[in-house]
Amino acid sequence: EAGVAQSPRYKIIEKRQSVAFWCNPISGHATLYWYQQILGQGPKLLIQFQNNGVVDDSQLPKDRFSAERLKGVDSTLKIQPAKLEDSAVYLCASSIGQVTTYEQYFGPGTRLTVT
Amino acid sequence: AQSVAQPEDQVNVAEGNPLTVKCTYSVSGNPYLFWYVQYPNRGLQFLLKYITGDNLVKGSYGFEAEFNKSQTSFHLKKPSALVSDSALYFCAARDPGGSYIPTFGRGTSLIVHP
Repeated sequence: EAGVAQSPRYKIIEKRQSVAFWCNPISGHATLYWYQQILGQGPKLLIQFQNNGVVDDSQLPKDRFSAERLKGVDSTLKIQPAKLEDSAVYLCASSIGQVTTYEQYFGPGTRLTVT
Repeated sequence: AQSVAQPEDQVNVAEGNPLTVKCTYSVSGNPYLFWYVQYPNRGLQFLLKYITGDNLVKGSYGFEAEFNKSQTSFHLKKPSALVSDSALYFCAARDPGGSYIPTFGRGTSLIVHP
């Protein structure tokens, strides 16, 4: 079974630029998550999708972050404009469903450096 | 608000010795608890979970965890550590009666010395 795919793996941008990350979840997984992992901290949920609908985006900084999951499969997370404090690893994860008993499967992450 | 604490930033253990990585939680009601492992430059991998039932949960790679409701803990254990177990370990909690948001601890770096 193929895992969660993410691209790019690394990205370096200057502050005030924009950036986009892509995620392809495990086939058949209805729930998709985007996390921000700052160095030395645990992952923090940004947004959770169930198919192509948003379940929770309460921790997403909506003035600069946006995400979409067209057709309920792939997802894109965008930051515009980026700030220095956005430097982090952005993790995508998927699970079979949104029921809280299900474990999540994580992609390798995208390491973003904002200079 | 729910929270997860991993009180040790780093745990050092000799190969062949038992290991324990600690986790405590604050969740209203009965929590769902998870352990994940993260190897360098890789995403988190699921190890085990507690949903209900037996307080001792067995997972991948010989790991197990014990749920202790009175101490609100979910410590990860392994009887005999391997050098290849060296990685970053994350405890996570979800509140089945509340928000869907999973909450992660800050992680514990396990170093197993040969």
